[in-house]
Amino acid sequence: EAGVAQSPRYKIIEKRQSVAFWCNPISGHATLYWYQQILGQGPKLLIQFQNNGVVDDSQLPKDRFSAERLKGVDSTLKIQPAKLEDSAVYLCASSLGAGGWEQYFGPGTRLTVT
Amino acid sequence: AQSVTQLGSHVSVSEGALVLLRCNYSSSVPPYLFWYVQYPNQGLQLLLKYTSAATLVKGINGFEAEFKKSETSFHLTKPSAHMSDAAEYFCAVSMGGGADGLTFGKGTHLIIQP
Repeated sequence: EAGVAQSPRYKIIEKRQSVAFWCNPISGHATLYWYQQILGQGPKLLIQFQNNGVVDDSQLPKDRFSAERLKGVDSTLKIQPAKLEDSAVYLCASSLGAGGWEQYFGPGTRLTVT
Repeated sequence: AQSVTQLGSHVSVSEGALVLLRCNYSSSVPPYLFWYVQYPNQGLQLLLKYTSAATLVKGINGFEAEFKKSETSFHLTKPSAHMSDAAEYFCAVSMGGGADGLTFGKGTHLIIQP
C-alpha cells in the first residue's frame, strides 16, 4: 500500500514570495491533515479536512495561508506571502476517518524562507 | 484546550538499559493518546495508541505505554534499548470526535550510548 506522498521535499524561497505544497493521501482515506513542525518543536495542526470540507482551521493563519482539497483526494497548502517565521517542515497526514483513527504521515516538505 | 508535556528534551541511556520517556496530558475527559517516533528527515511513525480498551498498550519495536488516569500520564517504556531506537519521540493527544487533529508535545530526543 502506498503511503502519503508529498512534494516537493525541499523548497527555498525569499520572504514575501509565495509557495505551494502538494499532498496525496493514502487511497480511501477520507480525512486529511496539514501540520507545521518548526525546528525543535512538535507538529502543530494547521487544518483538517473531511472529504472536501474543512473540519478545523482554527490554527491556520488565514491572512497568508490557504488550503484546499477540491475533489476530496489530494490537497494543496499555499503560503502567500511567506515570512521568515514560516520556515518549517510541513507534514501531511491522512486517516480513514475522524474520531481517533491512526494518522499516517508523509515525509514532509522542508521550507526555508530567506 | 488540551496540552501535552514531555519531561526531558533529551534522554540518554546505555544500550540494553531501560528506556523511559515521560508524557503528561491535560484533558477534562479521557482522550486518545499516541506515541510517534521520527527518524531524521522522515515523517512520523505510530508506535502505539491508547483508546480506552486497555490501560497497558503494546506497540511496535518492543515499546509499551501505560495509561494512568489518576496521574494524567502516558509514559513510554522499553525494557532494553537498542542502537536503532535513537530518534525523536512525540507524545500526542486527540479528543476524538469530528475535529481530531493531534496536539503534540515538544518531543524527546532519545540518545543510545554504546
